[in-house]
Amino acid sequence: DTEVTQTPKHLVMGMTNKKSLKCEQHMGHRAMYWYKQKAKKPPELMFVYSYEKLSINESVPSRFSPECPNSSLLNLHLHALQPEDSALYLCASSLLTGAFYEQYFGPGTRLTVT
Amino acid sequence: AQKVTQAQTEISVVEKEDVTLDCVYETRDTTYYLFWYKQPPSGELVFLIRRNSFDEQNEISGRYSWNFQKSTSSFNFTITASQVVDSAVYFCALSFSGGYQKVTFGTGTKLQVIP
Repeated sequence: DTEVTQTPKHLVMGMTNKKSLKCEQHMGHRAMYWYKQKAKKPPELMFVYSYEKLSINESVPSRFSPECPNSSLLNLHLHALQPEDSALYLCASSLLTGAFYEQYFGPGTRLTVT
Repeated sequence: AQKVTQAQTEISVVEKEDVTLDCVYETRDTTYYLFWYKQPPSGELVFLIRRNSFDEQNEISGRYSWNFQKSTSSFNFTITASQVVDSAVYFCALSFSGGYQKVTFGTGTKLQVIP
């Protein structure tokens, strides 16, 4: 099973809302990632978790709050977002962190902030 | 600094034609890894191949083949006898040893295969 699942597929939220994105993998991977992808651009790394601990935060605004409750789950909590945060949010996992390991991506959550 | 250049923004081919997607990279590291990912309209990036800097063997997998040339810092991807299902955005990516888990993606090449 090489599947990463993400819910919801689509999300529309207002600037005052609080919502969460969920990501799950059952491949036994110990590294999980959040990416943001704008239209016609490559994915941009937001966060990296290694063994459920945050190891990289790419200077992401605090209105994005990641959480890794266990080795299979990764959440992204959203609060007071701006319209420019509208994008495709991709979750990925890899066996371990490190340059060698390929990442497996979920289908993404398409977020619209109104 | 690491950099990946995919000069072809969009390519259109007629079904059954062969097509090559170019990827040129820059890195000062001697140990690095190159990847190709496919992103169909559904959004999910699909891992296609990894190549490490010490392995310059070309690889063929079905209709897909990859040509890695360190001398020109290129890692090109060829699809033989293209099919409509190959329509997607293809990203070339680079990662490097040194403890930092970041992957540098190219800007992507959108391939449209016309029936």
